[in-house]
Amino acid sequence: DTEVTQTPKHLVMGMTNKKSLKCEQHMGHRAMYWYKQKAKKPPELMFVYSYEKLSINESVPSRFSPECPNSSLLNLHLHALQPEDSALYLCASSHDRGATDTQYFGPGTRLTVL
Amino acid sequence: GIQVEQSPPDLILQEGANSTLRCNFSDSVNNLQWFHQNPWGQLINLFYIPSGTKQNGRLSATTVATERYSLLYISSSQTTDSGVYFCAVEYPAGKLIFGQGTTLQVKP
Repeated sequence: DTEVTQTPKHLVMGMTNKKSLKCEQHMGHRAMYWYKQKAKKPPELMFVYSYEKLSINESVPSRFSPECPNSSLLNLHLHALQPEDSALYLCASSHDRGATDTQYFGPGTRLTVL
Repeated sequence: GIQVEQSPPDLILQEGANSTLRCNFSDSVNNLQWFHQNPWGQLINLFYIPSGTKQNGRLSATTVATERYSLLYISSSQTTDSGVYFCAVEYPAGKLIFGQGTTLQVKP
């Protein structure tokens, strides 16, 4: 099973709201990733967790706060977002943050910030 | 940083036609993957191919790491092949850098 699940599928939020995106995998993978994809653009890496520790933060604004409660679960907490943060947020996982691992992607959460 | 370039940016095919998509990268990489993004946004793994040739049904891919390019071949295209095809390289470890993609439309 190479499935990564994400909830919710769609999210509409105001600039003063706090919301969270959830990602889950049960493949025993120890690396998990958040990507952001704007319309008609490629995905861009935001965060990497390896063995439940944050290992890469691509200078993402603090209004995005990742959390990895355990090896199967990855959250992205959202607070005081701007309309330009509207995008498709993709989660991925791989066996390890290494040089020979395929990354498997979830279906994404389509976020609209009003 | 590393540059990943894909060509062509757009491609329109008649059903049944064959096509070749190209991905050039500017530095040595640890990993290269090809993805198909469907209209709903799901990124589907096609190939993990840091070097060599692989085939999966009507799709095949070749990466020549020493010359820093990879090719994706689609044979006997079908309307369900429509979407955006991305190549992505891993540089450094754990960080996938995507090309701009090739948007493919297959007409019946």
